[in-house]
Amino acid sequence: QLQLQESGSGLVKPSQTLTLTCAVSGGSINISPFAWTWIRQPPGKGLEWIGNIYQSGSTFYNPSLRGRVTISADRSKNQFSLNLTSVTSADTAVYYCARDSVVFDVWGQGTKVTVSS
Amino acid sequence: DIQMTQSPSSLSASVGDRVTITCRASQSISIYLNWYQQKPGKAPKLLIYTASSLQTGVPSRFSGSGSGTDFTLTISSLQPEDFATYYCQQSYNTPRTFGQGTKVEIK
Repeated sequence: QLQLQESGSGLVKPSQTLTLTCAVSGGSINISPFAWTWIRQPPGKGLEWIGNIYQSGSTFYNPSLRGRVTISADRSKNQFSLNLTSVTSADTAVYYCARDSVVFDVWGQGTKVTVSS
Repeated sequence: DIQMTQSPSSLSASVGDRVTITCRASQSISIYLNWYQQKPGKAPKLLIYTASSLQTGVPSRFSGSGSGTDFTLTISSLQPEDFATYYCQQSYNTPRTFGQGTKVEIK
């Protein structure tokens, strides 16, 4: 059974870089045609797609994040990561990783990230 | 980006009620529309994919319909465990986008 687990910094200072990792177990991130995805949810608000990475290494990002985001994969560890630079309070959210098989059918439990000095 | 608009934003209903939530896309998305249920403190859970296909394990009281720009999620007989927030999401193209959510509360 495929499982995803987020980990990373829960508190980040403004202007610094947010880094999260999603460890995948019960399946490989090297299998097509899935996309490995980051989604976030600010407190009390809706869901925002951040971006994804495919088995090929191709990445796609939400234009709203204006070049601040990078998603990468470590295939030897079967995990993928999110880097978000120059964070502000608007980046405070629960961050989820998920598998995109045209639908988001498997999700991590989510990790809360707070941007504060 | 494709904008997804849900209505209503919230509703109050009783156990046993029939509940309908609508989702409209800003352009045609064929049948590439999915529905999720989210409970407080939990990740969203996939209910319906490609507009009308029921995800494995989801009760049959949930159903979806629509194509093009207009879609509907129906709960035929609301159960206590169905009180949650529901989101539609398009998978027609990137960036993937979600509706703003519909909170279903107890009347």
